Amino acid sequence: NAGVTQTPKFRVLKTGQSMTLLCAQDMNHEYMYWYRQDPGMGLRLIHYSVGEGTTAKGEVPDGYNVSRLKKQNFLLGLESAAPSQTSVYFCASITGSEQYFGPGTRLTVT
Amino acid sequence: RKEVEQDPGPFNVPEGATVAFNCTYSNSASQSFFWYRQDCRKEPKLLMSVYSSGNEDGRFTAQLNRASQYISLLIRDSKLSDSATYLCVVNIGYGNKLVFGAGTILRVKS
Repeated sequence: NAGVTQTPKFRVLKTGQSMTLLCAQDMNHEYMYWYRQDPGMGLRLIHYSVGEGTTAKGEVPDGYNVSRLKKQNFLLGLESAAPSQTSVYFCASITGSEQYFGPGTRLTVT
Repeated sequence: RKEVEQDPGPFNVPEGATVAFNCTYSNSASQSFFWYRQDCRKEPKLLMSVYSSGNEDGRFTAQLNRASQYISLLIRDSKLSDSATYLCVVNIGYGNKLVFGAGTILRVKS
């Protein structure tokens, strides 16, 4: 049981490049979330999913897209990266009152 | 107004001290409440849930006041290992979405 894993752990992009962050969980959780965390700020919700095939916008969805084709995976895409998207990205899955976070992806956009 | 507000600190305390953190939330429909701990450059981890009746886990005591929309965390006999950022987190219900405060930094010194 690996819990929540994120790929990659680190990435440097140039402005305008695209990439996909992968979140995987092996706990059969329905709900999954993508957050970003910037210095001095709490985690802010980007997008979330309440089940396979569903996605919804969070607090800061602009510039990101997501997909949940399989229950265990939640993908976060950046179509055209901007320096403002430099951040640490955390994925989480939740069931009931149990909440699990991945180790984070540190993304730098130059 | 932020949905969840915390004093950012830092709180610098000696080992053995008692320290209290406060948090207020704005959404009266919030359903559940938590304190998370986040170590530098790591993912947040659930410290404890917060109930109206108050709950205790060893040296940690959490309280919820729904009428005042106020949450607190008390740490007794502080240890060096308690140094971290403490995040106040509120579940606003729909989609099991969590809203995070920006965190309170605690530094325990010998």
